[in-house]
Amino acid sequence: GAGVSQSPRYKVAKRGQDVALRCDPISGHVSLFWYQQALGQGPEFLTYFQNEAQLDKSGLPSDRFFAERPEGSVSTLKIQRTQQEDSAVYLCASSPRDGTNTEAFFGQGTRLTVV
Amino acid sequence: AQKITQTQPGMFVQEKEAVTLDCTYDTSDQSYGLFWYKQPSSGEMIFLIYQGSYDEQNATEGRYSLNFQKARKSANLVISASQLGDSAMYFCAMREGPPIAGNMLTFGGGTRLMVKP
Repeated sequence: GAGVSQSPRYKVAKRGQDVALRCDPISGHVSLFWYQQALGQGPEFLTYFQNEAQLDKSGLPSDRFFAERPEGSVSTLKIQRTQQEDSAVYLCASSPRDGTNTEAFFGQGTRLTVV
Repeated sequence: AQKITQTQPGMFVQEKEAVTLDCTYDTSDQSYGLFWYKQPSSGEMIFLIYQGSYDEQNATEGRYSLNFQKARKSANLVISASQLGDSAMYFCAMREGPPIAGNMLTFGGGTRLMVKP
């Protein structure tokens, strides 16, 4: 596809359930970011991949959050034992090759609701 | 301290008029970048405009321009000739450090713009 694709668009999880959120970045993009956007707030950084390497995971809120990008393209954000405070929109963004970061392309996000 | 501050939670503008959305930032880096994104109700973050800290001229993209005042650490977005489709949330964001892969964005809290017919 032409843009960043995220699935599912909406996810309702019962508290304690595990969830997996998928991101398909723009083909050939080296950098991939995950952000968490709580209701009424701006996005906050979670983690960053350069190809398959996770170079920064300083924004992950707890060890229940885990992200991977095993082949350097598709990425999955997994949340184990979901809690109500995990309810948010999870945004994925990708950027082109190394050396340029004047624009990040975002997907439409996955809205997670934990009940 | 907040790195990105957007002081206007909501703004109204009459269709076809210009509007300025405020953004101030805080960084000690000499090299940084400032971004504006639009987020309609569909949820996607749409890139609007970028300003590098070393860019001497204000960035412009169609109806969007960025009023960059480095000494005041402000990067206000100006939308000219507002259209009904401009109604959305607008976020100011900053990349600290040079434009290399891996430098993530820090976002402000956003401003909701409503365009009146």
